[in-house]
Amino acid sequence: DTVLTQSPALAVSPGERVTISCRASESVSTGMHWYQQKPGQQPKLLIYGASNLESGVPARFSGSGSGTDFTLTIDPVEADDTATYFCQQSWNDLTFGSGTKLEIK
Amino acid sequence: QVQLKESGPGLVQPSETLSLTCTVSGFSLTSYSVSWVRQPSGKGPEWMGRMWYDGDTAYNSALKSRLSISRDTSKNQVFLKMNSLQTDDTGTYYCTRDLTCFDYWGQGVMVTVSS
Repeated sequence: DTVLTQSPALAVSPGERVTISCRASESVSTGMHWYQQKPGQQPKLLIYGASNLESGVPARFSGSGSGTDFTLTIDPVEADDTATYFCQQSWNDLTFGSGTKLEIK
Repeated sequence: QVQLKESGPGLVQPSETLSLTCTVSGFSLTSYSVSWVRQPSGKGPEWMGRMWYDGDTAYNSALKSRLSISRDTSKNQVFLKMNSLQTDDTGTYYCTRDLTCFDYWGQGVMVTVSS
């Protein structure tokens, strides 16, 4: 299985730029997707195909990367962005990362 | 609009079988695939398996021996059956529209495995 590794937690202030990383144990080309999950809610797709913004998602969110290293950027971050962010790959079967919990100070 | 809704029991006894139903609206099961994804509390999601738009199925290799996914296109429903449940199968179970990423999710159903 392709293992996706994410940092457990981050804390930033409103208005800052935050980057959330995801590293794959083997190449997934651009088959990487990002989700936001708030407590008690289902995950919400933000970015698909590494860098494509899902319809209706604010342009403050962007994605980049290919191969094994990927980044989700939020710029500028807002208080409502408090959530856990998951990466998911679809190149080698389907696996998710364990999530990065983002706190807005 | 696209909607998915899971239904099924919230409590299952250890060693018994879990049966869940996903009812979809706003799209056709013969045009889009549907996957089941589960998530233990406080952990990352896990893809369980997929009902392809053409009726074929695919399963997570770790669950394949216990899992079966089927559908009834006339009722717009996809079904999950998983046997030999244990306590580590406890979590929230979602059905999702599957484009290899998951663009629509149901609200989820919380399943607890306990005697």
